[in-house]
Amino acid sequence: QVQLVQSGAEVKKPGASVKVSCKTSGNTFNTYYMHWVRQAPGQGLEWMGIINPNGGSTSYAQRFQGRVTMTRDSSTGTIYMEVSSLTSEDTAVYYCATDSSGHYCFDDWGQGTLVTVSS
Amino acid sequence: DIQMTQSPSSLSASVGDRVTITCRASQSISSYLNWYQQKPGKAPKLLIYAASSLQSGVPSRFSGSGSGTEFTLTISSLLAEDFATYFCQQSDSIPYSFGQGTKLEIK
Repeated sequence: QVQLVQSGAEVKKPGASVKVSCKTSGNTFNTYYMHWVRQAPGQGLEWMGIINPNGGSTSYAQRFQGRVTMTRDSSTGTIYMEVSSLTSEDTAVYYCATDSSGHYCFDDWGQGTLVTVSS
Repeated sequence: DIQMTQSPSSLSASVGDRVTITCRASQSISSYLNWYQQKPGKAPKLLIYAASSLQSGVPSRFSGSGSGTEFTLTISSLLAEDFATYFCQQSDSIPYSFGQGTKLEIK
């Protein structure tokens, strides 16, 4: 099991950017691909993208292309997701998640980070 | 992109009932289908992976079946702790996608 600890809640104004972090436990950082999933209030789950911590390659959902950037810091075992040009529709809980079992599923999740976009 | 459609979107049931939730994919996803349970204010929890494999620690009253485009999640005898929202998710191809969720409520 992988422990994922995310950064705290954020409040941003429309047009701003936000950067959310997700720190992994132990020495597993380079082992598992990491995903980001978001959930708007009262809504379903939306997959945003994936990063390979071993090398940093990424793939994003089409709707987030050009507005989302996923990066990693191997020295601290942390991945980051930055969303730019925020609108009220980006108000959501953002989760990092990983497939630590190799079963093509999300078996470990961070606790979630609430991002509120409001003027 | 693969679209996932769950039914019903909400369901009222009683403790002890057997319930089934259906998930349909817009194209074949083989057995790359997972089920999650989510309670308010919490991250989703993996219940079933690869359509029918029970995640470690998940009670055996949960089961999954199906392949191709049609899948089901069954809870054989509901306990009070099972009232939550359930999501299916395909991992056949990127972009991964989720069903819209099924909210299971107490009757």
